[in-house]
Amino acid sequence: QKEVEQNSGPLSVPEGAIASLNCTYSDRGSQSFFWYRQYSGKSPELIMSIYSNGDKEDGRFTAQLNKASQYVSLLIRDSQPSDSATYLCAVNSNTGGFKTIFGAGTRLFVKA
Amino acid sequence: GAGVSQSPSNKVTEKGKDVELRCDPISGHTALYWYRQSLGQGLEFLIYFQGNSAPDKSGLPSDRFSAERTGGSVSTLTIQRTQQEDSAVYLCASSPDYLTDTQYFGPGTRLTVL
Repeated sequence: QKEVEQNSGPLSVPEGAIASLNCTYSDRGSQSFFWYRQYSGKSPELIMSIYSNGDKEDGRFTAQLNKASQYVSLLIRDSQPSDSATYLCAVNSNTGGFKTIFGAGTRLFVKA
Repeated sequence: GAGVSQSPSNKVTEKGKDVELRCDPISGHTALYWYRQSLGQGLEFLIYFQGNSAPDKSGLPSDRFSAERTGGSVSTLTIQRTQQEDSAVYLCASSPDYLTDTQYFGPGTRLTVL
């Protein structure tokens, strides 16, 4: 089992729809959770961070964390073609030494 | 303020040569990370520095890879006797502190080993 798993996609949604991206992780000691967006040929940039169970909203983005079920998700409302990118889930843990594990990413296409 | 910078942006080398990749983190950031990203793949954690503590080298793929961070600032990733499978984009990131803070990524160095 991979430490951080994401559906590779591609996930295709029409413009204006809600895009739902999911991520599961294996280390129960994980403490910090991040969603990064990476455009083709560019470096990752932070979209959302979340540290406690529940929802966190920022504009069109909502991150959801459920530590009991070991999953974190990202919802993008009113999806725009400019949201088309790869979304990387990242998990920080200090179990047995600090580490950051990135998922392989989910490719999102928003069709105009 | 300036973001994370990396040099060179592109490096083409011959198999067996040594290469050095440089990362200049955001001023004041105590944590620095190196990752490798192969084409179409996710990020592979390589090494992590936090302040003056001993680095976490658990992600380095072989003893041909080493990294140092001088004065708690600039870091150099060295790959000795490069192999074709080392071809990838090498990304550096920094953060104000570890564990909870956002990582800010540099533009990366694209390494091609012929």
